[in-house]
Amino acid sequence: EPEVTQTPSHQVTQMGQEVILRCVPISNHLYFYWYRQILGQKVEFLVSFYNNEISEKSEIFDDQFSVERPDGSNFTLKIRSTKLEDSAMYFCASSEGGLAGSNEQFFGPGTRLTVL
Amino acid sequence: AQSVAQPEDQVNVAEGNPLTVKCTYSVSGNPYLFWYVQYPNRGLQFLLKYITGDNLVKGSYGFEAEFNKSQTSFHLKKPSALVSDSALYFCAVRDRNTGFQKLVFGTGTRLLVSP
Repeated sequence: EPEVTQTPSHQVTQMGQEVILRCVPISNHLYFYWYRQILGQKVEFLVSFYNNEISEKSEIFDDQFSVERPDGSNFTLKIRSTKLEDSAMYFCASSEGGLAGSNEQFFGPGTRLTVL
Repeated sequence: AQSVAQPEDQVNVAEGNPLTVKCTYSVSGNPYLFWYVQYPNRGLQFLLKYITGDNLVKGSYGFEAEFNKSQTSFHLKKPSALVSDSALYFCAVRDRNTGFQKLVFGTGTRLLVSP
């Protein structure tokens, strides 16, 4: 069964450093997403990406964040200058195209980011 | 704005007994509703969804959920719980009228099934 994969599983970084989180969505999916889950809190939407551009972003997704689909398979989230409060589990997800968002999103296993 | 409430942080049930995990939602338009399950150190796994049609939807692992528009609820149910069902369950909503794709999640309910 196809699945979303993410690397690394755990990333430790110093405050102020740049990090890139990587994801390989399911191959025939057209929509890509990043969510995050701060420890003990709910899953929060960051950004959605379709047709090589951001289609929606939350207020969390400020200028420190960017996303890219550098080739036909990878989808990345970059945080330019990490803050302590960026420590969280980051989930990548993907979904098929089709009727107005009725398709379920498939989530990867997550990358735990720890900012020291 | 969309929101989801899961009023119970934890639900305890004995194996073999029926279980219910509660979810209520708020959207300005009509909802798409989803349930996901998260096992320790794993991502979210899709269980089931309500799009349209029958109010009772069936999903993976014997789970089902009932959409109640008047009560704006989408409770997750299973007739007979298994110890292996112990996990964190998230309800999520998307407003079909906005055209946006994002899911809005509840805070999650931890289900503990005792042997």
